Amino acid sequence: GQQVMQIPQYQHVQEGEDFTTYCNSSTTLSNIQWYKQRPGGHPVFLIQLVKSGEVKKQKRLTFQFGEAKKNSSLHITATQTTDVGTYFCAGDSGGSNYKLTFGKGTLLTVNP
Amino acid sequence: GAVVSQHPSRVICKSGTSVKIECRSLDFQATTMFWYRQFPKQSLMLMATSNEGSKATYEQGVEKDKFLINHASLTLSTLTVTSAHPEDSSFYICSARAGTDSYEQYFGPGTRLTVT
Repeated sequence: GQQVMQIPQYQHVQEGEDFTTYCNSSTTLSNIQWYKQRPGGHPVFLIQLVKSGEVKKQKRLTFQFGEAKKNSSLHITATQTTDVGTYFCAGDSGGSNYKLTFGKGTLLTVNP
Repeated sequence: GAVVSQHPSRVICKSGTSVKIECRSLDFQATTMFWYRQFPKQSLMLMATSNEGSKATYEQGVEKDKFLINHASLTLSTLTVTSAHPEDSSFYICSARAGTDSYEQYFGPGTRLTVT
């Protein structure tokens, strides 16, 4: 079945440093989505990437979708303490039910 | 908009009993709802996909007779954990997809199940 690998599993940074998490799918994706889960909370949708090579920005967050639509990355510039949480990528292989396969997530902690 | 609620938020039950968890889309009609299980500090494991008015599609390794899913309306899906055992203790999260043109999933706040 489809597998989505995500690295690193943990990342601790000083406030102001940059952060990147990477996602790799074993199969070509229809689209990839990114979610953020704060400690004790539930996943919250951040963005969806559909097109090959797509790049989207949300303030300090930059999301990329690879040319082959099998890998993606999330980059945060100048992290803040509010960025703390687990970032999950989730791949949609394009089935009729739009089900997602989640990566294991990257837990980001930020030292103020 | 796009709010999903779950009830109860926490439940403790005795081994051998059944527990029902409700998932509701409050301000939109959910064509598809998903049920996930999340272990501490781990990813979300999809258990089943639920479409209104039809039988749920279960992922490999998930027992359909143990985890009963009903999607009676476009705003409500229920997950019943039957004959619960301590190993069923987990965080169960539902999500809902708003429509055929919408890819994103809106997650409920989750239900913490503890089986003693």
